[in-house]
Amino acid sequence: ILNVEQSPQSLHVQEGDSTNFTCSFPSSNFYALHWYRWETAKSPEALFVMTLNGDEKKKGRISATLNTKEGYSYLYIKGSQPEDSATYLCAPGRAAGNKLTFGGGTRVLVKP
Amino acid sequence: NAGVTQTPKFQVLKTGQSMTLQCAQDMNHEYMSWYRQDPGMGLRLIHYSVGAGITDQGEVPNGYNVSRSTTEDFPLRLLSAAPSQTSVYFCASSYLTGLRNTEAFFGQGTRLTVV
Repeated sequence: ILNVEQSPQSLHVQEGDSTNFTCSFPSSNFYALHWYRWETAKSPEALFVMTLNGDEKKKGRISATLNTKEGYSYLYIKGSQPEDSATYLCAPGRAAGNKLTFGGGTRVLVKP
Repeated sequence: NAGVTQTPKFQVLKTGQSMTLQCAQDMNHEYMSWYRQDPGMGLRLIHYSVGAGITDQGEVPNGYNVSRSTTEDFPLRLLSAAPSQTSVYFCASSYLTGLRNTEAFFGQGTRLTVV
């Protein structure tokens, strides 16, 4: 079982501010790193699947970077909006069956 | 496009009862998985399948059975429900493109309460 840690567990952000948070995972036998956005009462939706060291992905105001050698990924939200309020999950994926091991998530609350 | 469909959305069981949570996907994905979500625990993998006829255990398989007779369906069976199985269950599917797996597509979830 992989040890996947996300920090912080939760954060409050003022509307318009930018923020970032971390996902840490074992660097050995790296295959892929997934990020998901999970709104309350909905199902998780994929943001990014990252595979290469140094990879950077962007989707609107949300971006992510990946360091596979040291085993971490950052997710950034630029100019946070209330609709960005959600739990953000990261999950290293393994080759066989795309098994995902999820971190506990970072819960983001954007205050108007 | 329906995507991943789970039924039922809500279920209450008595301890000792059995039931099957249904999951169907219409995207012809090879991979399907079941996760459970508990407060403070994140999503944990119960069972997964890499194709019809092939299943394997995840992190928390005890008390659950699965089968994959078709590409589309991946039911999760609770053999004898226990209060510890009270949780929200998510089914997910994904596929292989080139040499890499895609992101997982999740169903809407089934909220199960065992009393």
